[in-house]
Amino acid sequence: GESVGLHLPTLSVQEGDNSIINCAYSNSASDYFIWYKQESGKGPQFIIDIRSNMDKRQGQRVTVLLNKTVKHLSLQIAATQPGDSAVYFCAENPGGGKLIFGQGTELSVKP
Amino acid sequence: DTEVTQTPKHLVMGMTNKKSLKCEQHMGHRAMYWYKQKAKKPPELMFVYSYEKLSINESVPSRFSPECPNSSLLNLHLHALQPEDSALYLCASSITPAGNTEAFFGQGTRLTVV
Repeated sequence: GESVGLHLPTLSVQEGDNSIINCAYSNSASDYFIWYKQESGKGPQFIIDIRSNMDKRQGQRVTVLLNKTVKHLSLQIAATQPGDSAVYFCAENPGGGKLIFGQGTELSVKP
Repeated sequence: DTEVTQTPKHLVMGMTNKKSLKCEQHMGHRAMYWYKQKAKKPPELMFVYSYEKLSINESVPSRFSPECPNSSLLNLHLHALQPEDSALYLCASSITPAGNTEAFFGQGTRLTVV
């Protein structure tokens, strides 16, 4: 079946460095994508979203890039902080009211 | 109020028990979702309610029975569960059922079946 996946299951960065988390999706019909952050024992927290008519969207310290040609999504976190340590999920809307999650990347920030 | 509230936070139940998970939102959202999440795995969609009607059932076993009494409340009734059903159960809501707007998640109910 079609699914959303991530290239890297774990990512370790030094505090202050930039982080890049990648996601590959396979459903060409998907028109909306979200990045979520999930801390231990908590529910997913919205970070940023992007629609398929855009290539890039910026938030506070975060940027999402969408490459529809190769069905790739990335989340860039600038000046990564210890509080950014969490599991990051991309999610896609393939239509029909569903929101489907990818496998997740665990980000670890070393002080 | 941008919260999705889930109760209880933790639940331990036996395989012959009947229990219910509750979810509440007061954001006027018309779509509500149940997800199941196992450790180190992504949330898996179980059910979607659209305008208080069940619109998606992802082939979930009948021992899980969802209910949407009104636009603010979502329940998940549990009966005759198995130990493998132990997981974090997440509720979410979004403005519209189209799936193309942000979904807000609750903190989840940590369920242990013994």
